[in-house]
Amino acid sequence: DTEVTQTPKHLVMGMTNKKSLKCEQHMGHRAMYWYKQKAKKPPELMFVYSYEKLSINESVPSRFSPECPNSSLLNLHLHALQPEDSALYLCASSQIGTGIETQYFGPGTRLLVL
Amino acid sequence: QQQVKQSPQSLIVQKGGISIINCAYENTAFDYFPWYQQFPGKGPALLIAIRPDVSEKKEGRFTISFNKSAKQFSLHIMDSQPGDSATYFCAASIKGGSEKLVFGKGTKLTVNP
Repeated sequence: DTEVTQTPKHLVMGMTNKKSLKCEQHMGHRAMYWYKQKAKKPPELMFVYSYEKLSINESVPSRFSPECPNSSLLNLHLHALQPEDSALYLCASSQIGTGIETQYFGPGTRLLVL
Repeated sequence: QQQVKQSPQSLIVQKGGISIINCAYENTAFDYFPWYQQFPGKGPALLIAIRPDVSEKKEGRFTISFNKSAKQFSLHIMDSQPGDSATYFCAASIKGGSEKLVFGKGTKLTVNP
């Protein structure tokens, strides 16, 4: 099973709202990722968690706050977003240190900020 | 140095034809090259991947050709079908630095019936 699940599928929020995106995988992967994807562009890396520790933050604004409660779950907390933050937010996971680096992506959350 | 250059940006092929997408890289430390297929509104799905010690890998109608000396790799889709219409991304990563996938800019493939 190579499934990464994400909820919700769609989210509309105002600029003063607080919301969270959720991601889950049960493949035993110890690396999890958040990406942002704008239309007609490749995914853009935001954060990486390795062994539940934040290992990479690609200079993402603080209005995006990631959290990794355990090895299967990854959250992205959203607060005071801007309309330009509207995008498809993708979660991915992969193994670490096995020589098999394949990242498996979830279906994404389509976010619209009004 | 960290870029992966992908071409063409868009491609139109007739049903049954061969679709070819090319990628080139500069960083010789890259040692893992996956291709992802993405349908509108969906997440990228791994299609096929290759390592530099292999010059070609085939899975069904999809083939990766890899030229290590030229630092180029390409995806060939044989007998292209309308259901193959999607955006294709090549990518590269460094062993041991697998957290960072460097993506090409993508190719939008349209297969006409």
